[in-house]
Amino acid sequence: AQKVTQAQTEISVVEKEDVTLDCVYETRDTTYYLFWYKQPPSGELVFLIRRNSFDEQNEISGRYSWNFQKSTSSFNFTITASQVVDSAVYFCASSGSARQLTFGSGTQLTVLP
Amino acid sequence: DGGITQSPKYLFRKEGQNVTLSCEQNLNHDAMYWYRQDPGQGLRLIYYSQIVNDFQKGDIAEGYSVSREKKESFPLTVTSAQKNPTAFYLCASSMGNQAKNIQYFGAGTRLSVL
Repeated sequence: AQKVTQAQTEISVVEKEDVTLDCVYETRDTTYYLFWYKQPPSGELVFLIRRNSFDEQNEISGRYSWNFQKSTSSFNFTITASQVVDSAVYFCASSGSARQLTFGSGTQLTVLP
Repeated sequence: DGGITQSPKYLFRKEGQNVTLSCEQNLNHDAMYWYRQDPGQGLRLIYYSQIVNDFQKGDIAEGYSVSREKKESFPLTVTSAQKNPTAFYLCASSMGNQAKNIQYFGAGTRLSVL
């Protein structure tokens, strides 16, 4: 069974600060996938990124970057120069042999102007 | 526009009543899913369907029922047997039911009990 832990329940930062959202996963699968989703106040989950277990390359997309480390079972998400529009709940999730998404409990990010 | 449409946005249920949440997708996806989200918690899987006329229970299926008569539609019925139905319900779809498939979500239905 997969398990995803997002220990940070809520984070508040001031606009333009950098912020890192932590995600730790547990799995016995050798092939698995990790995801990040954003849930703005409107409620819809928006897909951000997918990573497979064989690709530990870090990824950058604009102000967003992701750090995948199998040695620590972590898949952390950093927002650089945060903006008010980044305020949302962010979910980390994993999928493996059971072919079902397992979600963490989410991190509520508030970016203050 | 391609996407997933959930309706209604808000729904109220009276004691002993069954209510049905609608989910329609025009992405031509084979797999569809229903999740429940409670405050401060992650999403929990209620039911999923990999193909028309087939569906499987997720982790919290008790008190819920689904049907999949058409590829684009996957309605969820919250029955009177579900004693704590107040929650945010999210529908999702993906191309297939493999671990690598990205799930895309609708805007959700918020269900409350009167």
